[in-house]
Amino acid sequence: SQQGEEDPQALSIQEGENATMNCSYKTSINNLQWYRQNSGRGLVHLILIRSNEREKHSGRLRVTLDTSKKSSSLLITASRAADTASYFCATEAGGTSYGKLTFGQGTILTVHP
Amino acid sequence: NAGVTQTPKFQVLKTGQSMTLQCAQDMNHNSMYWYRQDPGMGLRLIYYSASEGTTDKGEVPNGYNVSRLNKREFSLRLESAAPSQTSVYFCASSGKLAGLRETQYFGPGTRLLVL
Repeated sequence: SQQGEEDPQALSIQEGENATMNCSYKTSINNLQWYRQNSGRGLVHLILIRSNEREKHSGRLRVTLDTSKKSSSLLITASRAADTASYFCATEAGGTSYGKLTFGQGTILTVHP
Repeated sequence: NAGVTQTPKFQVLKTGQSMTLQCAQDMNHNSMYWYRQDPGMGLRLIYYSASEGTTDKGEVPNGYNVSRLNKREFSLRLESAAPSQTSVYFCASSGKLAGLRETQYFGPGTRLLVL
């Protein structure tokens, strides 16, 4: 079963606006990662946040992690048409699950020029 | 560096046929993974190999077998294909550098249609 649940399932915005996607999970984690998938392509890693971190930035990306609520959010600021893609959160469970990721169902982001 | 490569890119099979999906990475990564992605879904782990010589089942291993041929190559075999195995298959790899866990690098995928 999927550990990560993403919200919303689809998001449509105008270029220049911010996009926020949320991810919830069920068990304790070592880290949470966000990946991007362009249509018909493989996944590309965006950012990783560890369980002892609360916020992380990378360019126009900002990720937060609230382990007490078992949730994370990905914010893309000043979105561009090229940001149109599916975005997935993935969790590495705690314990001996090194390297094994569980993916959410993804958020489809459409950025209109 | 090519990263993670997968062959074939696309395959059509009839029910009951067998085939092997090939995956290779040139990043000297220890761990390799096979996922499947169904329409509107995230990825589900089929099998993984934490290091050369080891393989373990993931979330959906039934109907599949794997071989970690060497550090570079990890193949996925469907012995008797079923329509339920129609999917896009992704291979990924990850390494471990200086005690820090690394992220996964994905291949471009193999689209499999089982009739």
